[in-house]
Amino acid sequence: DTAVSQTPKYLVTQMGNDKSIKCEQNLGHDTMYWYKQDSKKFLKIMFSYNNKELIINETVPNRFSPKSPDKAHLNLHINSLELGDSAVYFCASSPVRGRVFFGSGTQLSVL
Amino acid sequence: AQRVTQPEKLLSVFKGAPVELKCNYSYSGSPELFWYVQYSRQRLQLLLRHISRESIKGFTADLNKGETSFHLKKPFAQEEDSAMYYCALSYYNQGGKLIFGQGTELSVKP
Repeated sequence: DTAVSQTPKYLVTQMGNDKSIKCEQNLGHDTMYWYKQDSKKFLKIMFSYNNKELIINETVPNRFSPKSPDKAHLNLHINSLELGDSAVYFCASSPVRGRVFFGSGTQLSVL
Repeated sequence: AQRVTQPEKLLSVFKGAPVELKCNYSYSGSPELFWYVQYSRQRLQLLLRHISRESIKGFTADLNKGETSFHLKKPFAQEEDSAMYYCALSYYNQGGKLIFGQGTELSVKP
């Protein structure tokens, strides 16, 4: 069974649209994250949630809004998509002090 | 500021050759160091963490606090080792977030 699953795997959309990426983990972890991998393959954290509460927000534009309905889910909603938002977005989870498990990524292409 | 540097963007070796992927870090405190690997079109997977002091798929990495380095080594590269390798550090008092280096693409030629 997949530990961290995110959907969709690919997302192609027009500038200005609003889209969401969903993430679920079945590991019982308290902490979930969103990371962005840009076109140069550089990975950077965007958000971190611990038990449904936001604990890290790394100067991400407020067009990006994470939502955690429960500790097993962390969704990412993006408003007014821009060309520069094109990237691979990875969801991840971890216990309080431990190994981080990553999802398989969502490749977002904004046209 | 906490920072991870991987000086090589691409490392190309022949099968059977030794491999060393460099990683240096700057820190304030006691970070935990990791190596993650991303095979083509797959998710990031943990390869090594310095507190485990283990060898995975023939890879080892030793934390050198004096040189602030955590280089990844393998004595004999295999074609299936071709992938993107990321060095990362984490501070538990920062919510467990990982700070990644720029990544090194390892290409092992037959």
